Amino acid sequence: EIVLTQSPGTLSLSPGERATLSCRASQSVSSSYLAWYQQKPGQAPRLLIYGASNRATGIPDRFSGSGSGTDFTLTISRLEPEDFAVYSCQQYGTSPRVTFGPGTKVDIK
Amino acid sequence: QVQLVESGGGLVKPGGSLRLSCAASGSTFSDDYMTWIRQAPGKGLEWISYISRGGNTIYYADSVKGRFTISRDNAKNSLYLQMDSLRAEDTAVYYCARALYDRSGYYFDYWGQGTLVTVSS
Repeated sequence: EIVLTQSPGTLSLSPGERATLSCRASQSVSSSYLAWYQQKPGQAPRLLIYGASNRATGIPDRFSGSGSGTDFTLTISRLEPEDFAVYSCQQYGTSPRVTFGPGTKVDIK
Repeated sequence: QVQLVESGGGLVKPGGSLRLSCAASGSTFSDDYMTWIRQAPGKGLEWISYISRGGNTIYYADSVKGRFTISRDNAKNSLYLQMDSLRAEDTAVYYCARALYDRSGYYFDYWGQGTLVTVSS
């Protein structure tokens, strides 16, 4: 099983700042099969990025994904008030049995 | 717009059973690969089961294999999860989610709002 580790656990930033979130895999994720989700309290996750760097439909371009192999990054270029949430990565290189990271909470400084 | 609505959660005693349902709309359900994913309180997401479009290919996480059964009724646009021999560690919000293939792997593009299952005596 590929174990995903996310850092930092919590990121405290102000609106307008840049957020850089890390997702590290215990072994290489084949074909950059990595997705990112945003989750707000009491809500379902929302798909942001798939294939490591492809934005899902309707996702603003301030969200971008990068990386390959074992190291992946989600960047939010300028935080908007609605971006404060928990972000989780998911690898699907071992489909059908996929795994998620524990999440990074982005909160308001 | 795809909509997924789960139901059937609640409080159940250890060893008990529960059946979750997920009603789908806004897409041709029979064309969709579907999954169940859960999230224990304060924890990360955990994939637990997958079912193919016709229901003939099914996978489970080791944590639920032999206790949970996924099924679907394409005529009713519905997905189900029969949960037996429930344990305290099965306590979680259960989400149904549509699986979208990216070449040979899949991610989740639509999720329901979740239904809470609490296993406690």
